[in-house]
Amino acid sequence: DADVTQTPRNRITKTGKRIMLECSQTKGHDRMYWYRQDPGLGLRLIYYSFDVKDINKGEISDGYSVSRQAQAKFSLSLESAIPNQTALYFCATSERTGGSTGELFFGEGSRLTVL
Amino acid sequence: GNSVTQMEGPVTLSEEAFLTINCTYTATGYPSLFWYVQYPGEGLQLLLKATKADDKGSNKGFEATYRKETTSFHLEKGSVQVSDSAVYFCALSLSGSARQLTFGSGTQLTVLP
Repeated sequence: DADVTQTPRNRITKTGKRIMLECSQTKGHDRMYWYRQDPGLGLRLIYYSFDVKDINKGEISDGYSVSRQAQAKFSLSLESAIPNQTALYFCATSERTGGSTGELFFGEGSRLTVL
Repeated sequence: GNSVTQMEGPVTLSEEAFLTINCTYTATGYPSLFWYVQYPGEGLQLLLKATKADDKGSNKGFEATYRKETTSFHLEKGSVQVSDSAVYFCALSLSGSARQLTFGSGTQLTVLP
Protein backbone atom coordinates (compact mmCIF):
# COMPACT_ATOMS: atom_id res chain seq x y z
CA ASP A 1 0.00 0.00 0.00
CA ALA A 2 1.08 3.53 -0.75
CA ASP A 3 2.43 5.65 2.10
CA VAL A 4 0.36 8.62 0.93
CA THR A 5 -3.11 7.71 -0.29
CA GLN A 6 -5.51 10.00 -2.09
CA THR A 7 -9.19 9.44 -2.76
CA PRO A 8 -10.84 9.62 -5.17
CA ARG A 9 -8.27 9.10 -7.92
CA ASN A 10 -10.60 10.46 -10.56
CA ARG A 11 -13.72 12.57 -10.26
CA ILE A 12 -15.96 14.32 -12.75
CA THR A 13 -18.38 16.86 -11.37
CA LYS A 14 -20.48 19.81 -12.41
CA THR A 15 -20.07 23.52 -11.82
CA GLY A 16 -21.35 24.57 -8.41
CA LYS A 17 -21.00 21.18 -6.73
CA ARG A 18 -19.08 20.69 -3.50
CA ILE A 19 -16.13 18.34 -3.78
CA MET A 20 -13.82 16.87 -1.16
CA LEU A 21 -10.49 15.25 -1.89
CA GLU A 22 -9.04 13.19 0.90
CA CYS A 23 -5.49 12.35 1.80
CA SER A 24 -4.16 9.96 4.41
CA GLN A 25 -0.59 9.02 5.20
CA THR A 26 1.20 6.30 7.09
CA LYS A 27 4.61 7.94 7.10
CA GLY A 28 4.11 9.56 10.49
CA HIS A 29 5.00 12.96 9.10
CA ASP A 30 3.81 16.16 10.76
CA ARG A 31 3.65 18.27 7.63
CA MET A 32 1.10 17.87 4.86
CA TYR A 33 0.48 19.82 1.67
CA TRP A 34 -1.98 20.14 -1.17
CA TYR A 35 -0.66 21.03 -4.63
CA ARG A 36 -2.34 21.58 -7.94
CA GLN A 37 -0.71 20.56 -11.23
CA ASP A 38 -1.67 22.16 -14.52
CA PRO A 39 -0.03 21.46 -17.87
CA GLY A 40 2.90 23.80 -18.45
CA LEU A 41 2.63 25.36 -14.99
CA GLY A 42 4.30 22.83 -12.77
CA LEU A 43 2.94 22.41 -9.25
CA ARG A 44 1.47 25.23 -7.21
CA LEU A 45 0.85 25.11 -3.48
CA ILE A 46 -2.76 25.46 -2.34
CA TYR A 47 -2.56 24.90 1.44
CA TYR A 48 -0.11 23.42 3.90
CA SER A 49 -0.30 22.24 7.48
CA PHE A 50 2.59 21.82 9.88
CA ASP A 51 0.45 20.07 12.50
CA VAL A 52 -3.20 19.53 13.35
CA LYS A 53 -3.62 23.06 14.70
CA ASP A 54 -1.50 24.85 12.12
CA ILE A 55 -2.99 25.44 8.66
CA ASN A 56 -1.69 27.98 6.20
CA LYS A 57 -2.64 29.33 2.82
CA GLY A 58 -0.36 28.71 -0.09
CA GLU A 59 0.08 30.46 -3.39
CA ILE A 60 -3.40 29.74 -4.80
CA SER A 61 -5.83 29.16 -1.90
CA ASP A 62 -8.81 31.12 -3.26
CA GLY A 63 -11.78 28.82 -3.89
CA TYR A 64 -10.37 26.06 -1.68
CA SER A 65 -10.53 25.09 1.98
CA VAL A 66 -8.83 22.36 3.99
CA SER A 67 -9.30 20.36 7.14
CA ARG A 68 -6.61 18.57 9.13
CA GLN A 69 -8.67 15.96 10.93
CA ALA A 70 -5.71 14.15 12.45
CA GLN A 71 -1.97 13.97 12.00
CA ALA A 72 -2.50 11.44 9.24
CA LYS A 73 -5.43 13.05 7.41
CA PHE A 74 -5.66 16.24 5.38
CA SER A 75 -8.68 16.99 3.19
CA LEU A 76 -9.12 19.56 0.45
CA SER A 77 -12.56 20.96 -0.33
CA LEU A 78 -13.94 22.92 -3.22
CA GLU A 79 -17.11 24.52 -1.87
CA SER A 80 -18.50 25.41 -5.28
CA ALA A 81 -16.45 23.92 -8.08
CA ILE A 82 -15.78 25.87 -11.26
CA PRO A 83 -14.29 24.67 -14.57
CA ASN A 84 -10.90 26.36 -14.06
CA GLN A 85 -10.39 24.13 -11.03
CA THR A 86 -10.06 21.22 -13.41
CA ALA A 87 -6.58 19.90 -12.64
CA LEU A 88 -4.53 17.14 -11.11
CA TYR A 89 -4.29 17.52 -7.33
CA PHE A 90 -1.50 16.11 -5.23
CA CYS A 91 -1.20 15.61 -1.52
CA ALA A 92 2.31 15.51 -0.10
CA THR A 93 3.97 15.04 3.26
CA SER A 94 7.32 15.87 4.78
CA GLU A 95 9.21 15.41 7.98
CA ARG A 96 9.66 18.41 10.19
CA THR A 97 13.22 18.97 9.00
CA GLY A 98 12.60 17.49 5.57
CA GLY A 99 10.14 20.24 4.83
CA SER A 100 12.84 22.84 4.98
CA THR A 101 15.14 20.83 2.74
CA GLY A 102 12.51 20.19 0.14
CA GLU A 103 12.02 16.44 0.33
CA LEU A 104 8.33 15.81 -0.13
CA PHE A 105 6.53 12.48 -0.44
CA PHE A 106 3.63 12.58 -2.86
CA GLY A 107 0.43 10.67 -3.29
CA GLU A 108 -0.58 9.37 -6.71
CA GLY A 109 -2.84 12.31 -7.46
CA SER A 110 -6.53 13.00 -7.83
CA ARG A 111 -7.70 14.05 -11.25
CA LEU A 112 -10.67 16.41 -11.01
CA THR A 113 -12.75 17.51 -13.98
CA VAL A 114 -15.35 20.23 -13.52
CA LEU A 115 -17.87 20.48 -16.33
CA GLY B 1 10.49 36.53 -6.43
CA ASN B 2 11.75 33.00 -6.75
CA SER B 3 11.31 31.09 -9.97
CA VAL B 4 12.53 28.04 -11.85
CA THR B 5 12.79 27.84 -15.62
CA GLN B 6 13.11 24.50 -17.37
CA MET B 7 13.72 23.71 -20.99
CA GLU B 8 10.49 23.09 -22.79
CA GLY B 9 9.58 19.61 -23.83
CA PRO B 10 8.68 17.19 -24.89
CA VAL B 11 12.05 15.55 -25.32
CA THR B 12 12.28 12.32 -27.29
CA LEU B 13 15.46 10.24 -27.30
CA SER B 14 16.55 6.83 -28.40
CA GLU B 15 17.69 4.34 -25.80
CA GLU B 16 21.32 4.84 -24.74
CA ALA B 17 21.35 8.47 -25.85
CA PHE B 18 22.78 11.25 -23.69
CA LEU B 19 20.26 13.37 -21.81
CA THR B 20 20.43 16.97 -20.72
CA ILE B 21 17.47 18.85 -19.30
CA ASN B 22 18.29 22.48 -18.60
CA CYS B 23 17.17 24.25 -15.44
CA THR B 24 17.93 27.77 -14.32
CA TYR B 25 16.66 29.57 -11.28
CA THR B 26 16.10 32.96 -9.71
CA ALA B 27 16.13 33.21 -5.93
CA THR B 28 16.44 35.91 -3.32
CA GLY B 29 18.58 33.81 -1.02
CA TYR B 30 20.69 30.67 -1.18
CA PRO B 31 18.35 27.90 -2.24
CA SER B 32 18.57 24.16 -2.16
CA LEU B 33 17.94 22.66 -5.60
CA PHE B 34 16.09 19.49 -6.52
CA TRP B 35 15.04 17.28 -9.35
CA TYR B 36 11.79 15.40 -8.93
CA VAL B 37 10.54 12.73 -11.33
CA GLN B 38 6.95 11.77 -12.08
CA TYR B 39 6.44 8.39 -13.73
CA PRO B 40 3.18 7.81 -15.59
CA GLY B 41 0.22 7.57 -13.24
CA GLU B 42 2.28 8.26 -10.15
CA GLY B 43 3.08 11.14 -7.85
CA LEU B 44 6.36 12.98 -7.88
CA GLN B 45 9.36 11.50 -6.15
CA LEU B 46 12.67 13.04 -5.29
CA LEU B 47 15.40 12.09 -7.76
CA LEU B 48 18.34 14.07 -6.44
CA LYS B 49 19.23 17.27 -4.65
CA ALA B 50 22.06 19.68 -3.90
CA THR B 51 22.09 22.07 -1.00
CA LYS B 52 25.01 24.39 -1.76
CA ALA B 53 27.08 25.73 -4.62
CA ASP B 54 29.27 23.20 -6.48
CA ASP B 55 27.49 20.26 -4.86
CA LYS B 56 26.65 17.42 -7.23
CA GLY B 57 23.52 15.41 -6.66
CA SER B 58 23.32 11.94 -8.18
CA ASN B 59 20.94 9.00 -8.24
CA LYS B 60 20.02 6.18 -10.65
CA GLY B 61 22.67 7.35 -13.14
CA PHE B 62 21.35 10.91 -13.17
CA GLU B 63 23.40 13.80 -11.92
CA ALA B 64 23.17 17.56 -11.60
CA THR B 65 25.64 20.16 -10.35
CA TYR B 66 24.62 23.28 -8.46
CA ARG B 67 26.22 26.16 -10.40
CA LYS B 68 25.84 29.41 -8.53
CA GLU B 69 27.69 31.47 -11.14
CA THR B 70 25.22 30.50 -13.86
CA THR B 71 22.26 29.89 -11.50
CA SER B 72 21.76 26.52 -13.09
CA PHE B 73 21.11 22.92 -12.09
CA HIS B 74 21.02 20.95 -15.33
CA LEU B 75 20.03 17.28 -15.21
CA GLU B 76 22.21 14.80 -17.13
CA LYS B 77 22.37 11.09 -17.78
CA GLY B 78 24.90 9.40 -19.96
CA SER B 79 22.72 6.61 -21.33
CA VAL B 80 18.96 6.75 -20.97
CA GLN B 81 16.67 3.75 -20.81
CA VAL B 82 13.04 3.28 -21.80
CA SER B 83 12.22 3.13 -18.10
CA ASP B 84 13.44 6.73 -17.70
CA SER B 85 10.42 7.98 -19.63
CA ALA B 86 8.73 10.39 -17.23
CA VAL B 87 8.18 14.05 -16.44
CA TYR B 88 11.10 15.75 -14.72
CA PHE B 89 10.64 18.78 -12.46
CA CYS B 90 13.34 21.11 -11.28
CA ALA B 91 12.59 22.83 -7.97
CA LEU B 92 14.12 25.11 -5.39
CA SER B 93 13.61 25.59 -1.70
CA LEU B 94 14.82 28.41 0.46
CA SER B 95 16.45 27.13 3.59
CA GLY B 96 14.12 27.18 6.55
CA SER B 97 11.04 27.87 4.42
CA ALA B 98 9.22 24.59 4.00
CA ARG B 99 6.37 26.16 2.11
CA GLN B 100 8.67 27.82 -0.40
CA LEU B 101 9.22 24.83 -2.63
CA THR B 102 8.98 26.36 -6.11
CA PHE B 103 8.64 24.02 -9.08
CA GLY B 104 9.48 24.46 -12.71
CA SER B 105 6.91 23.61 -15.34
CA GLY B 106 8.22 20.10 -15.96
CA THR B 107 9.86 18.43 -18.97
CA GLN B 108 8.33 15.34 -20.53
CA LEU B 109 10.95 12.77 -21.56
CA THR B 110 10.14 9.86 -23.83
CA VAL B 111 12.80 7.24 -24.52
CA LEU B 112 12.23 5.00 -27.52
CA PRO B 113 13.65 1.47 -27.76
